[in-house]
Amino acid sequence: ILNVEQSPQSLHVQEGDSTNFTCSFPSSNFYALHWYRWETAKSPEALFVMTLNGDEKKKGRISATLNTKEGYSYLYIKGSQPEDSATYLCASNSGGYQKVTFGTGTKLQVIP
Amino acid sequence: AAGVIQSPRHLIKEKRETATLKCYPIPRHDTVYWYQQGPGQDPQFLISFYEKMQSDKGSIPDRFSAQQFSDYHSELNMSSLELGDSALYFCASANARGAGGEQFFGPGTRLTVL
Repeated sequence: ILNVEQSPQSLHVQEGDSTNFTCSFPSSNFYALHWYRWETAKSPEALFVMTLNGDEKKKGRISATLNTKEGYSYLYIKGSQPEDSATYLCASNSGGYQKVTFGTGTKLQVIP
Repeated sequence: AAGVIQSPRHLIKEKRETATLKCYPIPRHDTVYWYQQGPGQDPQFLISFYEKMQSDKGSIPDRFSAQQFSDYHSELNMSSLELGDSALYFCASANARGAGGEQFFGPGTRLTVL
């Protein structure tokens, strides 16, 4: 994988449903993987930064896992709420710590 | 704690004019990133600088240029503005060697081209 890829591109879920999305990144020369939450017309909010294979991070109803050997990370949202509606971006420092590559994001819409 | 500062916060320009957006990173951060978010669109990475050198280039139009100065602040210069350049422009700064290079975002500059 040469780029950071996220799937799905967009997602509609009902309020209360749990959901997850995927970020795939180059596994060679891995340094760190970041997740950001970006609401339209607001500054992106850093959710997690993970550096170690097997890392799991949690913030409230949102959690993330990291597999650096196979080059993927999952973001989970438990019991989605309308305020979770946003674009979720992942970014990878692979191939050098100063070179950050962002994925195109997963746009989540939570329907009340 | 000091955050990323962007100026101006709002800017209104006419078509074919030029605009300069400024970004002041968090002290001791050595990396600056620029992003563009059009109305109802996903954010797009434009360009980044590390230690005053361009480190990565995204979907930045040829009409735009940017640089990072000796004090690490960065400026995005936009010429021959078009209506489609109306967007929110964010910059982010990072300490490339710290905390996994986590980016801290500024509040954004809203550019309106009339």
